[in-house]
Amino acid sequence: DAKTTQPPSMDCAEGRAANLPCNHSTISGNEYVYWYRQIHSQGPQYIIHGLKNNETNEMASLIITEDRKSSTLILPHATLRDTAVYYCIVKRAAGNKLTFGGGTRVLVKP
Amino acid sequence: GAGVSQSPSNKVTEKGKDVELRCDPISGHTALYWYRQSLGQGLEFLIYFQGNSAPDKSGLPSDRFSAERTGGSVSTLTIQRTQQEDSAVYLCASSLEYLDNEQFFGPGTRLTVL
Repeated sequence: DAKTTQPPSMDCAEGRAANLPCNHSTISGNEYVYWYRQIHSQGPQYIIHGLKNNETNEMASLIITEDRKSSTLILPHATLRDTAVYYCIVKRAAGNKLTFGGGTRVLVKP
Repeated sequence: GAGVSQSPSNKVTEKGKDVELRCDPISGHTALYWYRQSLGQGLEFLIYFQGNSAPDKSGLPSDRFSAERTGGSVSTLTIQRTQQEDSAVYLCASSLEYLDNEQFFGPGTRLTVL
């Protein structure tokens, strides 16, 4: 599975949009981009995934560049409860083993 | 409905002792995964079960680690002769099937080996 690169940390103001970048320049054609998050002392939580089209659900939006070498997770209106470590993962759909790297530690401030 | 549950939530043991960690997946989920997460680190895959198929044990770090899944539901991860480097949070997840996209994680068991 392709490796991903994320900034180690970022702050966001409550109520504002949080834009979390992820680089995956070695992504293969059959690999998907997944995002999970982990709130302190809890298990990881699935957020969203996509292949090449932009995706949106009740939690977030995922924007994937046309060359698929990078993506951005958007939390449209960050709340204090969104404070967590966010993990960007690239993997094939046929196979469900997850491997997390360092992720981005997001701190939502009042 | 009920999510994935794990027990115990915390376990402190002495080096050399055996430990058993339990996972109750979401009812009806055929795929079950074990991961571990060391302090401040990412997620490390250990083993997964899918229905009646042979489990994928490719992530187990040594032969001291083993896991069972009885009746396609509850799973037990066993660590024999624990070492200090085994200290970590052990996470269990389940999904509807192996190819399903979303995994549901339990709260984890924090293992401390003294």
